Amino acid sequence: EVQLVESGGGLVQPGGSLRLSCAASGFTFSSYEMNWVRQAPGKGLEWVSYISSSGSTIYYADSVKGRFTISRDNAKNSLYLQMNSLRAEDTAVYYCARDPAAGLDCWGQGTLVTVSS
Amino acid sequence: SYVLTQPPSVSVAPGKTARITCGGNNIGSKSVHWYQQKPGQAPILVIYYDSDRPSGIPERFSGSNSGNTATLTISRVEAGDEADYYCQVWDSSSDHWVFGGGTKLTVL
Repeated sequence: EVQLVESGGGLVQPGGSLRLSCAASGFTFSSYEMNWVRQAPGKGLEWVSYISSSGSTIYYADSVKGRFTISRDNAKNSLYLQMNSLRAEDTAVYYCARDPAAGLDCWGQGTLVTVSS
Repeated sequence: SYVLTQPPSVSVAPGKTARITCGGNNIGSKSVHWYQQKPGQAPILVIYYDSDRPSGIPERFSGSNSGNTATLTISRVEAGDEADYYCQVWDSSSDHWVFGGGTKLTVL
């Protein structure tokens, strides 16, 4: 069974840092591009970042560029999102999603990040 | 940056047909993907490449894309189809995924 499980969310103060992880199973992780997508409470979906299967190509939304870093470890079947300089507007559920270049066909259950003092 | 525009809400009676639009500049030249999201759940892909259905998605779900509008059509709507629906495209000019604002489908 294809599965993505996010972890690492929690409460953090403005200006703080957090590292999210996404553990993949049930498919050949190293063959797939991956993304992070977030959803603020009561709001719509917002794409955050993309990483190619090898990790050589990376893109970021303008709202997080320079503060967030996406990475992956294909040997550990894991995707990461390092989030620095967090702001209140970064509060959201963060999803990792598999990208077979035909939409995002598998999503994790999400992990909640709350930025508040 | 590329913008996708969806109606905030669509209402339909059970058994009828729901149409959810997604507007964008020359969106017909892009591939559109659609997602269904129920409260408290992660999104699921219901249509990819404008009109293809992933395995497990009922044939009642279909899609089209032409000109400046893409459309998700749900035939013979059921109570279980009540959800938020999002369209998505890849904007090659910015190398960004772009989502529409979402449409809440209400089954009357």
